[in-house]
Parts: sequence; structure tokens; C-alpha cells
Amino acid sequence: QKEVEQNSGPLSVPEGAIASLNCTYSDRGSQSFFWYRQYSGKSPELIMFIYSNGDKEDGRFTAQLNKASQYVSLLIRDSQPSDSATYLCAVKSNNDMRFGAGTRLTVKP
Amino acid sequence: ETGVTQTPRHLVMGMTNKKSLKCEQHLGHNAMYWYKQSAKKPLELMFVYSLEERVENNSVPSRFSPECPNSSHLFLHLHTLQPEDSALYLCASSQAWLVDLGDDGYTFGSGTRLTVV
Repeated sequence: QKEVEQNSGPLSVPEGAIASLNCTYSDRGSQSFFWYRQYSGKSPELIMFIYSNGDKEDGRFTAQLNKASQYVSLLIRDSQPSDSATYLCAVKSNNDMRFGAGTRLTVKP
Repeated sequence: ETGVTQTPRHLVMGMTNKKSLKCEQHLGHNAMYWYKQSAKKPLELMFVYSLEERVENNSVPSRFSPECPNSSHLFLHLHTLQPEDSALYLCASSQAWLVDLGDDGYTFGSGTRLTVV
């Protein structure tokens, strides 16, 4: 069974802090990795993708991938209350996209 | 209109009813998907269509019946549902189903919140 695991949270950070969201996956053949943000009552929105080991930065967001450890993370710098949402990790292997259950992030003013 | 649109946004139906969910994408994508999202659970893939052909059916009960008349439209026909089928049903699209690129993320519609009574 190919699994994508995330801590369900809630993860609470103060405004301006760094939020760190983690995801592990079981399929070593996974090729592409995605982070989606889902606001309450809304649909998931793609915010980052990564497919090479290392870091990828986009504005306040940094995705980190370590294929040897089967671990992908998302860092949000200078967290804002508007970042409060559920963050879904998704892992693609061949043509199969698998999602984690999501981590709920709350950024407190 | 742009992106992926789903109708209706909310649906309440009895167990003996027949209804359909509609999805339309305006992105020129070739693959479309139906997902089920239940509270505290990962998104569950139900069906995949690539170039209007069904390519994946993840052991979904026959009371759910998909239809893809063209690459822009996707339907999910519902009949004799059970209360445990109550969930958020999400449609998504992507550039292609068979890809070598890493950046082929999905674009989701706003979903249909289904309640079976």
C-alpha cells in the first residue's frame, strides 16, 4: 500500500514565525511532490512542486525534498494569519497521485 | 469562465434519488479526475479520464457512474447512494495523465458538498 503520511495537527504558530510542515511517503519510486493549500470550505490549490533533492524556494515558501529519507517538507517564512489553512502533501508515482490527509495550520496574530 | 467549475455547489439527496454532478474545465487539459474528500481522510481517487477515455477506476461502487463526453466536461451520475457517501466531491484536471514532467499538478474545482439523507 502506497502511503503518504502527515501530522494532522493542528499546528499553531505566531504571526511572523516559520511554520514547518512535514510529509513522509512509502513509495521509493515516487517522482514528483506537491503541496496544496486548502482553506476551510474551499478546494485545494497548488502552491509548490518539487522533484529534485534539495530546496526549492518561491517567495515565503520553501519546499525541501530528501528522497533517501522519503521525506518532503514545506517551510512558510514570516507566517501570516492568511496562511491559516490545511496543507495537503501529494506524491506522484508513475501516473498515480496520492494525497496525505493534510496538516491544519493556524497562524495566530 | 476560467479554471475548473463544478455544479452544483451543494446537493442534498435521498437514497432513492438520481442526480448528476457536473465539471467543466477551461484550461485545455487532457486529463480529468473525480476525487472524494471525507473529513480527516486523504483525498480518494475515484476515476481518471485521459483524452476522454477512462483509464482508472479505483474500486468505486457502481452507484457512482462517470461520463466524459469530451475533454472539457466530466459528469458523475449518482443513484441509490448511502449516507456514508456524504462528502465533498472534487473534480480536477491536469495537462496530461501520462507525464514525465514533475510540474504537472492538478487544478481543482470548488467541489460539490453532497449530503445523502
